[in-house]
Amino acid sequence: GENVEQHPSTLSVQEGDSAVIKCTYSDSASNYFPWYKQELGKGPQLIIDIRSNVGEKKDQRIAVTLNKTAKHFSLHITETQPEDSAVYFCAASLNYGNNRLAFGKGNQVVVIP
Amino acid sequence: DTGVSQNPRHKITKRGQNVTFRCDPISEHNRLYWYRQTLGQGPEFLTYFQNEAQLEKSRLLSDRFSAERPKGSFSTLEIQRTEQGDSAMYLCASSSHEGGPYGYTFGSGTRLTVV
Repeated sequence: GENVEQHPSTLSVQEGDSAVIKCTYSDSASNYFPWYKQELGKGPQLIIDIRSNVGEKKDQRIAVTLNKTAKHFSLHITETQPEDSAVYFCAASLNYGNNRLAFGKGNQVVVIP
Repeated sequence: DTGVSQNPRHKITKRGQNVTFRCDPISEHNRLYWYRQTLGQGPEFLTYFQNEAQLEKSRLLSDRFSAERPKGSFSTLEIQRTEQGDSAMYLCASSSHEGGPYGYTFGSGTRLTVV
């Protein structure tokens, strides 16, 4: 099955700086890559996603890039704010009738005011 | 509609007891998923339904686990003869897209503690 790895496990950034989280995946057939943000005591919330026919997608301060050849994708958060502090999960999915998502272990992002 | 609702939010049970969790998806969503999340890990897929049909089950779903979605609306997840290793957050998600896992909405989860 699909295996997704995230790096680094913890990331501390100064408020206003950028944060980048990288994920790698194992199955070259994967073609859907969402990112989720999870705050304490809450379920994961979808913040951005990308499909394999696109190399980059941006939504305000958040962007995701995908490198299919290297089988990795990254989340970029610019102008970080304290409310960006959370655990971020990447995931990957095979879209041939298989609806499961394979998640990474998560990254704890801490934005220091 | 306020999103995916899960009840109870927390459950403490003694080892060997049975527990049941409920998930109410977003009303127009025909797909419903159950995931399990242990501390420091990402969610792990358990099973999913399209309408009332259970279409896929993970190897994680032992025979002590059973999930139902009798009328294609809410779903229940039952764990029989609970073990300490069952302690985790049980997450439910729903989506309406056909042909893929796009746009999951997760609930806040049920945290199970087996003592």
